[in-house]
Amino acid sequence: GENVEQHPSTLSVQEGDSAVIKCTYSDSASNYFPWYKQELGKRPQLIIDIRSNVGEKKDQRIAVTLNKTAKHFSLHITETQPEDSAVYFCAASKGSNYQLIWGAGTKLIIKP
Amino acid sequence: NAGVTQTPKFRVLKTGQSMTLLCAQDMNHEYMYWYRQDPGMGLRLIHYSVGEGTTAKGEVPDGYNVSRLKKQNFLLGLESAAPSQTSVYFCATRTPEDTEAFFGQGTRLTVV
Repeated sequence: GENVEQHPSTLSVQEGDSAVIKCTYSDSASNYFPWYKQELGKRPQLIIDIRSNVGEKKDQRIAVTLNKTAKHFSLHITETQPEDSAVYFCAASKGSNYQLIWGAGTKLIIKP
Repeated sequence: NAGVTQTPKFRVLKTGQSMTLLCAQDMNHEYMYWYRQDPGMGLRLIHYSVGEGTTAKGEVPDGYNVSRLKKQNFLLGLESAAPSQTSVYFCATRTPEDTEAFFGQGTRLTVV
């Protein structure tokens, strides 16, 4: 079955710098890759997603890139701000599978 | 629209007691999921349902049972609570078309 690995588990960056979180997946048939942000004590919420027919997607300060050949996708956050501090989860799914397969999460710490 | 609502938000149980967590959605989504989230760990799937009257086991189903008698409700039962079931439980819903998962606000359960 599908397996999603996420790195790093913790990432500490200076406010204003960029942050990159990477995920790899095992099933080449996976075709949907969302990223979720979970603030402390809150529910996970979708921040950006990408489908396998697209290589990159941007939404203001966040972007996701997908490399289907290498089976990895990455979340990029530019000009980080204190409110970006949270746990970020990647996931993967495919049409024939009912489940989203989740990465273990990355705790992003923005240092002032 | 309320989206996805979990009841209760907090609960303390004694070992051996039973309880039911309710997930209610008004989004008309086919798929519903129950996850548990423990400190430093990601989301682990307990059970899921792909439609009214159907349920299936996830990654960590032992000690839990579920029912989906109505499309809008997904119930998670603990027959005999154990301290190892102390966790935050999240319900989520999704459509079949590989789209965003919507989460409830979570239930913090402590078993003493």
